Amino acid sequence: GDSVTQMEGPVTLSEEAFLTINCTYTATGYPSLFWYVQYPGEGLQLLLKATKADDKGSNKGFEATYRKETTSFHLEKGSVQVSDSAVYFCALSDTGRRALTFGSGTRLQVQP
Amino acid sequence: GAGVSQSPRYKVAKRGQDVALRCDPISGHVSLFWYQQALGQGPEFLTYFQNEAQLDKSGLPSDRFFAERPEGSVSTLKIQRTQQEDSAVYLCASSQEAGGNTEAFFGQGTRLTVV
Repeated sequence: GDSVTQMEGPVTLSEEAFLTINCTYTATGYPSLFWYVQYPGEGLQLLLKATKADDKGSNKGFEATYRKETTSFHLEKGSVQVSDSAVYFCALSDTGRRALTFGSGTRLQVQP
Repeated sequence: GAGVSQSPRYKVAKRGQDVALRCDPISGHVSLFWYQQALGQGPEFLTYFQNEAQLDKSGLPSDRFFAERPEGSVSTLKIQRTQQEDSAVYLCASSQEAGGNTEAFFGQGTRLTVV
């Protein structure tokens, strides 16, 4: 079945540091890939998505590229801010299936 | 409404008690999903509605779990004879279209604690 594996947290960085959160996936079809973010006290929000191989999703300075050859969708940001502190979830939606399959989440803590 | 609304936000139930969790999706959204999120884990799919039709209930963990969306808007997730392993955050999400690529909007969830 489908699965998503992402790096365990917490990830602790200083402000303006470079961020990478690794995500790899297993899917039977041709999935769409997503990053969702959960800020403290709030619901999950879509951060970015990519629907086919080599697509790059981007939003709020975050980027992720759909790499079919390595089955990966790593999240990156060049310069993190304290306000980026949250839990980040990688997810996929496989061909013909509407539900999302999530990874276990990675908590990011950015210190001033 | 402005977003997906879930109620109650918190629920404490005694083991064996029945509970009902409510989800008000964004008006006009065709698709509605329920997920279960255990502490420190990602959400896991429970069930999916397209309008009033329950098209996928493959994630429901047992026959104690039941969901409905009778008029294609508000949905209720019911858990009968709750057990401690049912303790989790239950998330509802809705999306405008039926396809899997459209953005899902999540509610803040209902945290269920079974004691």
